[in-house]
Amino acid sequence: RKEVEQDPGPFNVPEGATVAFNCTYSNSASQSFFWYRQDCRKEPKLLMSVYSSGNEDGRFTAQLNRASQYISLLIRDSKLSDSATYLCVASGDSSYKLIFGSGTRLLVRP
Amino acid sequence: EPEVTQTPSHQVTQMGQEVILRCVPISNHLYFYWYRQILGQKVEFLVSFYNNEISEKSEIFDDQFSVERPDGSNFTLKIRSTKLEDSAMYFCASSDPRGRDNEQFFGPGTRLTVL
Repeated sequence: RKEVEQDPGPFNVPEGATVAFNCTYSNSASQSFFWYRQDCRKEPKLLMSVYSSGNEDGRFTAQLNRASQYISLLIRDSKLSDSATYLCVASGDSSYKLIFGSGTRLLVRP
Repeated sequence: EPEVTQTPSHQVTQMGQEVILRCVPISNHLYFYWYRQILGQKVEFLVSFYNNEISEKSEIFDDQFSVERPDGSNFTLKIRSTKLEDSAMYFCASSDPRGRDNEQFFGPGTRLTVL
């Protein structure tokens, strides 16, 4: 079983749409969770941390369900500039190693 | 805004040669990392480094790899005898573990091409 599993997509949506990404992780000892975005041939950029209480940053909402080992990201009112690959990330047993999913590609069309 | 920097942006080398990839982490960060990403694949952890020693390493990080913090600002990854399969993007990252989530911030990467 993959350590962090994501739907590879691509998700092809019109501008203004709401899109949801899901992810599962296998290590119940993981302590920290994140969403990163990665543009083509660029570095991963931190989008947001993910908490059980849920957290929101503008158009982005992330949620963690520890019981089912499930992480989600919701993007509202999507923009052309949101087109990228979204990486679901869990820490290892310590918080000093990140385990990346393979990423979900998002294409936002005009 | 402080950022992680890496040099060179692209390194081409012959199989069997040694390469050194350089990174300058964010100045008040205490943990440093190397990750790699083979083209079309996911980002993979190589090694973490704290207080001048390796704190964790992956199975990929074998005896051909080493890391060093030679001075107060640089953090290097050395590959002693490169193989074709070492061709990848290598990302350096740093974090401040005193922060809430030990968020890691990545540099722009060095593209290593082994011929």
